[in-house]
Amino acid sequence: EPEVTQTPSHQVTQMGQEVILRCVPISNHLYFYWYRQILGQKVEFLVSFYNNEISEKSEIFDDQFSVERPDGSNFTLKIRSTKLEDSAMYFCASSEERTATYEQYFGPGTRLTVT
Amino acid sequence: AQSVAQPEDQVNVAEGNPLTVKCTYSVSGNPYLFWYVQYPNRGLQFLLKYITGDNLVKGSYGFEAEFNKSQTSFHLKKPSALVSDSALYFCAVREQSSGGSYIPTFGRGTSLIVHP
Repeated sequence: EPEVTQTPSHQVTQMGQEVILRCVPISNHLYFYWYRQILGQKVEFLVSFYNNEISEKSEIFDDQFSVERPDGSNFTLKIRSTKLEDSAMYFCASSEERTATYEQYFGPGTRLTVT
Repeated sequence: AQSVAQPEDQVNVAEGNPLTVKCTYSVSGNPYLFWYVQYPNRGLQFLLKYITGDNLVKGSYGFEAEFNKSQTSFHLKKPSALVSDSALYFCAVREQSSGGSYIPTFGRGTSLIVHP
């Protein structure tokens, strides 16, 4: 069964540094998402992406964040200048369709630790 | 606004016993409801969803969930738990009409531990 993959599994960085989290969505999916989960809290939506542009974004997704699909397979989340509060598990997801009834397929997550 | 609550951080059950993982939701209109499971070192995996129709929804691995509109609940159930069911379970809700947004709201997850 095809899966969403994410690298790295764990990233440790110093406050103020830039990080790039990478995802390879399922190959025939067209809609891509980033979520995060701070330890013990809810899974929070960050951004959705379709046709090389952002479809929706949450209040969390401020100017420090950006997303890109640099080639036909990768989907990346960049945090420009990390803060301590960015420490979380970041999940990438993809879906075939964008309608509300369609389920999403998630990667295993990247644990980001900002020190 | 849509929201979902999973009131239990952890559920413990003995193998062979029935299990229930609770989820309640809040939406202005009608909901679409989802359950996902996350095994260690894996992504969230879709289990089942309620869109419309029969209130009892059957999904993967013998799981089912019952949509209860009056109680605004969508509890996940299984008649006989297996040790391999031990994982993190996430409930999600999406309001059927919310101004063009297609994004579901997730709960914080419930850890299910099945003891041999």
